[in-house]
Amino acid sequence: GEDVEQSLFLSVREGDSSVINCTYTDSSSTYLYWYKQEPGAGLQLLTYIFSNMDMKQDQRLTVLLNKKDKHLSLRIADTQTGDSAIYFCAEKGPGGYQKVTFGTGTKLQVIP
Amino acid sequence: NAGVTQTPKFRVLKTGQSMTLLCAQDMNHEYMYWYRQDPGMGLRLIHYSVGEGTTAKGEVPDGYNVSRLKKQNFLLGLESAAPSQTSVYFCASTLAGTSYNEQFFGPGTRLTVL
Repeated sequence: GEDVEQSLFLSVREGDSSVINCTYTDSSSTYLYWYKQEPGAGLQLLTYIFSNMDMKQDQRLTVLLNKKDKHLSLRIADTQTGDSAIYFCAEKGPGGYQKVTFGTGTKLQVIP
Repeated sequence: NAGVTQTPKFRVLKTGQSMTLLCAQDMNHEYMYWYRQDPGMGLRLIHYSVGEGTTAKGEVPDGYNVSRLKKQNFLLGLESAAPSQTSVYFCASTLAGTSYNEQFFGPGTRLTVL
């Protein structure tokens, strides 16, 4: 089946850039996502990228997709303490009911 | 709009007890999902529903049952709870027919089985 892998933990200093990486196995992925989970809350969609794109920028967020290597990254510029959260990479295949496979999540700790 | 709500927020069960988790959404979404979240394992799909009256198995369905009698509600049942079912349970919903299919999540239910 599909698999999505991420490192479990990342620590950065406030003001630095954060880069969270993800690899996936499904070559037929149509959309790839980054969800954010704040402590004690559910996941919220942060951004997404269609599989025929290689980059998407949204304010402080930059998503890079290398489809050949099945690698997705999320760069957060000028990281703030409010960015401390767990970030989940996810991918959607072409299936009819919109099955989404989530990664294990990367916990981002921002040090003041 | 309340979005996706889950009841209860916390619960402690003894092994062998049963319970039902309720998920409700007021966004008129067709698709609904139940996930469990365990440390180091991310989110795993338990069951899902593509519409009122329909349900299907996900990745880890054993020990759980679901029902979708009304479009806005999706119930997850544990008939005989086991310690391995200690987890945080999330419900999510999606509007059918959209391109990128954002999933909207509830706040979660933290379940401990002793």
